[in-house]
Amino acid sequence: GAGVSQSPRYKVAKRGQDVALRCDPISGHVSLFWYQQALGQGPEFLTYFQNEAQLDKSGLPSDRFFAERPEGSVSTLKIQRTQQEDSAVYLCASSLPGSSYEQYFGPGTRLTVT
Amino acid sequence: AQTVTQSQPEMSVQEAETVTLSCTYDTSESNYYLFWYKQPPSRQMILVIRQEAYKQQNATENRFSVNFQKAAKSFSLKISDSQLGDTAMYFCAFIQFYGGSQGNLIFGKGTKLSVKP
Repeated sequence: GAGVSQSPRYKVAKRGQDVALRCDPISGHVSLFWYQQALGQGPEFLTYFQNEAQLDKSGLPSDRFFAERPEGSVSTLKIQRTQQEDSAVYLCASSLPGSSYEQYFGPGTRLTVT
Repeated sequence: AQTVTQSQPEMSVQEAETVTLSCTYDTSESNYYLFWYKQPPSRQMILVIRQEAYKQQNATENRFSVNFQKAAKSFSLKISDSQLGDTAMYFCAFIQFYGGSQGNLIFGKGTKLSVKP
């Protein structure tokens, strides 16, 4: 695949359910970022991986949010016991550090919690 | 704290005309990168243009150019010969580094640009 892919594109969850959002970065990109974009707002940083190491998780809004990238490629963002305020678009981006610092974004997953 | 401010929530322009989107930022860093990203209704965030802070020359990419004023911490985007396909949300973003290697983007709230035929 040429770009970053994310699945599912849309997810509807009932309040209290757990969800898992998947990100496939561009092959060879060691850096991977998750962002949360609320309706009408700019994306906000959640967490960052370099290969399999999670170097920064300071943007995760609560301990219900958990991200992993066990083999340094595919990443999963998990949200436990979803709340209505978790409704947003979750964007994944990947990049090669030290190059142009350009981050390549996926199409996002729109999560709606009812 | 590093912040990015876009003071124009919405703008419109006639096809073929020129429009300028404003952005200011706040940082104590001396070396950094600034970006403009475009997000059409399909949600795919696409890089429009990038500026390295150490370069005095303003970046240009075809119809897109920036006016980078480092002392004023201003980074505006000029779109010339606007096209219908330019209709989108435009986000100004600043990269915050992790010890000089890689960093996460800090985005403004965006400007919704509508190009009218």
